[in-house]
Amino acid sequence: NAGVMQNPRHLVRRRGQEARLRCSPMKGHSHVYWYRQLPEEGLKFMVYLQKENIIDESGMPKERFSAEFPKEGPSILRIQQVVRGDSAAYFCASSLLGGSGTDTQYFGPGTRLTVL
Amino acid sequence: GENVEQHPSTLSVQEGDSAVIKCTYSDSASNYFPWYKQELGKRPQLIIDIRSNVGEKKDQRIAVTLNKTAKHFSLHITETQPEDSAVYFCAATTSGTYKYIFGTGTRLKVLA
Repeated sequence: NAGVMQNPRHLVRRRGQEARLRCSPMKGHSHVYWYRQLPEEGLKFMVYLQKENIIDESGMPKERFSAEFPKEGPSILRIQQVVRGDSAAYFCASSLLGGSGTDTQYFGPGTRLTVL
Repeated sequence: GENVEQHPSTLSVQEGDSAVIKCTYSDSASNYFPWYKQELGKRPQLIIDIRSNVGEKKDQRIAVTLNKTAKHFSLHITETQPEDSAVYFCAATTSGTYKYIFGTGTRLKVLA
């Protein structure tokens, strides 16, 4: 019974490159959430997706960031033209029922992005 | 906007003592309050949660209390052990929304 999977676990990019972060939710979960964690800080909500739909992207910067959760395959968080300020741990979480109730979110191991 | 404040930011206790971490939320419609434990470099792991129709919940050495009137909730760890050392995050969310609003974390050190 695999939990939430994320890859890569560590990603190093130079300024201006693109970063692609992948998240596979727990088996049976169709709701995915992305959070960002800066060093020594809490987690900040970025985006909530269901299969093929972005439900809430209010926490995601409007420029350079995008997210998708296709019908087949993992959810992808994409950061274009990365800058040093994008360096952080990016966590994905999944839940069974979604935001209609107060559903427990289970977190993946995170991707630690370092921008040189 | 919604906000969750968490105190203290660091907490050191002797092994065997109790630890208490407190959180205050701003949105009176919040109705679900999970607590996560995060060890260094690892994922946040759910350790206990409470819903707004309950005032207290206990699971072995861990308990959470909720005061809806005052809009605060607390995590209590009794008989602390070195393996309890980690960063603990509280969160609040509201039915019909999707995002957890996290506190800023408490770094707990249990001294042997």
